[in-house]
Amino acid sequence: QKEVEQDPGPLSVPEGAIVSLNCTYSNSAFQYFMWYRQYSRKGPELLMYTYSSGNKEDGRFTAQVDKSSKYISLFIRDSQPSDSATYLCAMSGDNAGKSTFGDGTTLTVKP
Amino acid sequence: DTAVSQTPKYLVTQMGNDKSIKCEQNLGHDTMYWYKQDSKKFLKIMFSYNNKELIINETVPNRFSPKSPDKAHLNLHINSLELGDSAVYFCASSQFFGGTDTQYFGPGTRLTVL
Repeated sequence: QKEVEQDPGPLSVPEGAIVSLNCTYSNSAFQYFMWYRQYSRKGPELLMYTYSSGNKEDGRFTAQVDKSSKYISLFIRDSQPSDSATYLCAMSGDNAGKSTFGDGTTLTVKP
Repeated sequence: DTAVSQTPKYLVTQMGNDKSIKCEQNLGHDTMYWYKQDSKKFLKIMFSYNNKELIINETVPNRFSPKSPDKAHLNLHINSLELGDSAVYFCASSQFFGGTDTQYFGPGTRLTVL
């Protein structure tokens, strides 16, 4: 069983929809939770990170962490075609330099 | 200016060959990484160097050898290439190792082994 499982997708939504991307994990030592966005044929870029449980909002993006359920989510409000990309969750313990990534969910937002 | 650059961008080679991928970062970061991303988008760390010292060495065949001549460069040499080595290899850097320090990724090197 993988340490990090991500909803596989692909996901296709109309412009303006609310998108929910989810990951579960098994390692209770994880404390840092990150979401990366990767456009086609580009390197991943950090979108958001959260330490421990709670919510974090940045514009149209909200990251949620529920450590008791070992479940994290990324919500995208008012999705745009420019949000079309692969989203990777990542998490780590004390040593955040060593992150474990999910397999990624490919999102397409149709105009 | 590109923060993290990799060369070459594409590499097509025959099984059994030896090849190198170069990475340079101009961000003044202390830590650099190599990741492998397979065709299913699974991203896995291979190596990490902090101040030219190897600190992460995941279970990677010893055909793969990283080399960090200075803090701004981390190269990856692969001996006796195999079909299963075909993937996209990403270099990344971060200011420090640990905490929530943001990792900046390069554009990737798409390796195809025939």
